[in-house]
Amino acid sequence: GAGVSQSPSNKVTEKGKDVELRCDPISGHTALYWYRQSLGQGLEFLIYFQGNSAPDKSGLPSDRFSAERTGGSVSTLTIQRTQQEDSAVYLCASSPGGTGYGYTFGSGTRLTVV
Amino acid sequence: GESVGLHLPTLSVQEGDNSIINCAYSNSASDYFIWYKQESGKGPQFIIDIRSNMDKRQGQRVTVLLNKTVKHLSLQIAATQPGDSAVYFCAENRGSGGGADGLTFGKGTHLIIQP
Repeated sequence: GAGVSQSPSNKVTEKGKDVELRCDPISGHTALYWYRQSLGQGLEFLIYFQGNSAPDKSGLPSDRFSAERTGGSVSTLTIQRTQQEDSAVYLCASSPGGTGYGYTFGSGTRLTVV
Repeated sequence: GESVGLHLPTLSVQEGDNSIINCAYSNSASDYFIWYKQESGKGPQFIIDIRSNMDKRQGQRVTVLLNKTVKHLSLQIAATQPGDSAVYFCAENRGSGGGADGLTFGKGTHLIIQP
């Protein structure tokens, strides 16, 4: 597509439920990133994909968080047994891969855990 | 620790004035820097970038300055307009190859344009 697409744009879930967030990167972009942004805060790195593999999962805050990418394209971030502190905007970005490239971000998914 | 930070959380300027947003970084190995603009309810949008072999780069109404000696990055916006109101993030790439840990972002400066 023309840009990075994320869905849903908003998600309200009950504490303890599982949620799946989806990211469609720009076609041909091999690198895909997930970030989390809490209210009034900066961007917290979660995970990076190069193709279908995730060389760097160091940012995932707990084992309740997981992500996968299939076909070198769509990625899904899954949060199990959601907690209130998981409430944030989850941003996805993609790039052509390698260093020296800016990222293109999606508009994010605003997750609210009640 | 290694981090990218911003000096001021909020900057208020008069419409038509020039704005300067500052950023300090601590990793001398960083070789690529980017400024992003994030409007309310949207994802960050790329504004301008600069590589470590340069000290200045100009775009349309924006200029990025890099001072490697003091590890300082700044974004200058000329003749600010209401549409410039946003949060501005600086980011560094530490050149670790393939963006393995992604860009590291500062906390952001909220630019407010006064009429």
